[in-house]
Amino acid sequence: NAGVTQTPKFRILKIGQSMTLQCTQDMNHNYMYWYRQDPGMGLKLIYYSVGAGITDKGEVPNGYNVSRSTTEDFPLRLELAAPSQTSVYFCASSYSMVSRGLQETQYFGPGTRLLVL
Amino acid sequence: KQEVTQIPAALSVPEGENLVLNCSFTDSAIYNLQWFRQDPGKGLTSLLLIQSSQREQTSGRLNASLDKSSGRSTLYIAASQPGDSATYLCAVLYSGAGSYQLTFGKGTKLSVIP
Repeated sequence: NAGVTQTPKFRILKIGQSMTLQCTQDMNHNYMYWYRQDPGMGLKLIYYSVGAGITDKGEVPNGYNVSRSTTEDFPLRLELAAPSQTSVYFCASSYSMVSRGLQETQYFGPGTRLLVL
Repeated sequence: KQEVTQIPAALSVPEGENLVLNCSFTDSAIYNLQWFRQDPGKGLTSLLLIQSSQREQTSGRLNASLDKSSGRSTLYIAASQPGDSATYLCAVLYSGAGSYQLTFGKGTKLSVIP
């Protein structure tokens, strides 16, 4: 299994440009998540999905959009990039979220480093 | 709102020493607590997950404890090695604003000196 893969690894955007961060998992996980990590800070949840066709906002959703058309893919869309969106973005997945006798450990991708100038 | 604090922010120890990393959280109504390891330029790797009903979990040289009532967790690393050098993040899963949220601390950066 490749686990959770993210593309691109690094990107520079100009203010106002748009882009999509790709995330794919091959573990057949129901739950997928997008986080951002600013320097010296913990991770903050942007959006999450509990299954194909279902998404919900996290703590910091403004300026982002997501979709979940398949179990495997969970792309994150930035429509009008702003300098405040300069960060490292992590995608994660898990089989479940709250224990029902199942493993809910989140597996993380390697991250996408985004710089908005 | 759940807040997670990790102390110290950075720690440097000589190889072979035992050490303890601390994590505290403000809302004790959590489902679980996880300790992650993050290497520079890499994603996070889950080390240990403690359910709210459990007191501790062990994996090799790592032992994590949870005292939910006091809002505290510790990660104990025995016989530290240079390969343990990384940032260690604590995260709690709780129900907030009608959904489950995983809230992270800012991490403790550990350096093990050979």
